[in-house]
Amino acid sequence: GQNIDQPTEMTATEGAIVQINCTYQTSGFNGLFWYQQHAGEAPTFLSYNVLDGLEEKGRFSSFLSRSKGYSYLLLKELQMKDSASYLCAASPSGTYKYIFGTGTRLKVLA
Amino acid sequence: GAVVSQHPSWVICKSGTSVKIECRSLDFQATTMFWYRQFPKQSLMLMATSNEGSKATYEQGVEKDKFLINHASLTLSTLTVTSAHPEDSSFYICSARGGGLAGGQETQYFGPGTRLLVL
Repeated sequence: GQNIDQPTEMTATEGAIVQINCTYQTSGFNGLFWYQQHAGEAPTFLSYNVLDGLEEKGRFSSFLSRSKGYSYLLLKELQMKDSASYLCAASPSGTYKYIFGTGTRLKVLA
Repeated sequence: GAVVSQHPSWVICKSGTSVKIECRSLDFQATTMFWYRQFPKQSLMLMATSNEGSKATYEQGVEKDKFLINHASLTLSTLTVTSAHPEDSSFYICSARGGGLAGGQETQYFGPGTRLLVL
């Protein structure tokens, strides 16, 4: 079957670093996506990985290991505004659909 | 670039009425648009995939006669919730993908969502 797993909730302190893990099982693979979603709003695109390795974009980085079916989103220098849900999504081969995880609710504490 | 709009952002209607939600890609041509619904504190659930000029493909368990999707052009898709009932109250979000965008053609860009409340 197709499945995405990520932790339900995480808590971190302002200024710290947090890593949100995601494991996936899909029939083939077109890419792994991370989105940020604030309460009551639509998701905003953070990153896309299709090759193994680390993609860095400012305070956010995303890593992919295709052989392990594993990705993580790394957030550095946490700010209060980073409190949100982080959605991991994988795209199986032959389709542009996403399989979404349940999302990880991140709380950043002062 | 890659801006998707949705209208309306909020709608309250009486049970039994129909509601139309529009999704537009403002600065790119959307080859494919997707419709999702999201309940509080849950993740997005894909309802259907629509390609311009062809019939939408619905996910298992989604009634195509209840959720009518029209994708008339490369920049507009509409979702009509027919004979809405209170259990249809939800957050409806569309997304669009297209070529030539920074995130690649596989990346979906989401609209701001439409909150539907059926009384």
